[in-house]
Amino acid sequence: DTEVTQTPKHLVMGMTNKKSLKCEQHMGHRAMYWYKQKAKKPPELMFVYSYEKLSINESVPSRFSPECPNSSLLNLHLHALQPEDSALYLCASSQVSGKAGNTIYFGEGSWLTVV
Amino acid sequence: AQTVTQSQPEMSVQEAETVTLSCTYDTSESDYYLFWYKQPPSRQMILVIRQEAYKQQNATENRFSVNFQKAAKSFSLKISDSQLGDAAMYFCAYRWRYGNKLVFGAGTILRVKS
Repeated sequence: DTEVTQTPKHLVMGMTNKKSLKCEQHMGHRAMYWYKQKAKKPPELMFVYSYEKLSINESVPSRFSPECPNSSLLNLHLHALQPEDSALYLCASSQVSGKAGNTIYFGEGSWLTVV
Repeated sequence: AQTVTQSQPEMSVQEAETVTLSCTYDTSESDYYLFWYKQPPSRQMILVIRQEAYKQQNATENRFSVNFQKAAKSFSLKISDSQLGDAAMYFCAYRWRYGNKLVFGAGTILRVKS
């Protein structure tokens, strides 16, 4: 059973819609991540939050806007997406770098389809 | 920059037999972690096994074990007594101890034949 919970599991949105993906973890981790994954490809890192502050933005277009309201929650706000943004979006969490237990744990993902 | 290479796009194994998936990596760091993740058709990314670079002993988890060769920068995964539920995409991944990035290989699709 995953301890990183993502909602919704499936989302279909139009190119003019605004929607959000949500992620929650209760493992006491202080690093949280968003990854994007296309079919049969490895996940690509989008954003990293460390102690609720954005520490890495992998040059992601501004139509993706991350938010970390507290140490357990991570959101990804979506606006004016393109059909090529359709993918599986994975949330993950871990201890911050340098601490023991550097394993990154993933949620089940949110399937996004942009029409 | 660190890179991870999985040279086997697809592998097949007969149920109950043993299969080895290959992974090589490149890094100038000495303190890092290596992982094997499994992603079945359900798409959940599941941790299979983890190796800490400063530990010479190879990690094992039940039917899964690794052959970690630090000097050769090689990290292969051996699956013993393969089961139908082992069928999945397997990703090898690297993380520097003091960094937040997980670097993935391209993945190997494992098919298990009954």
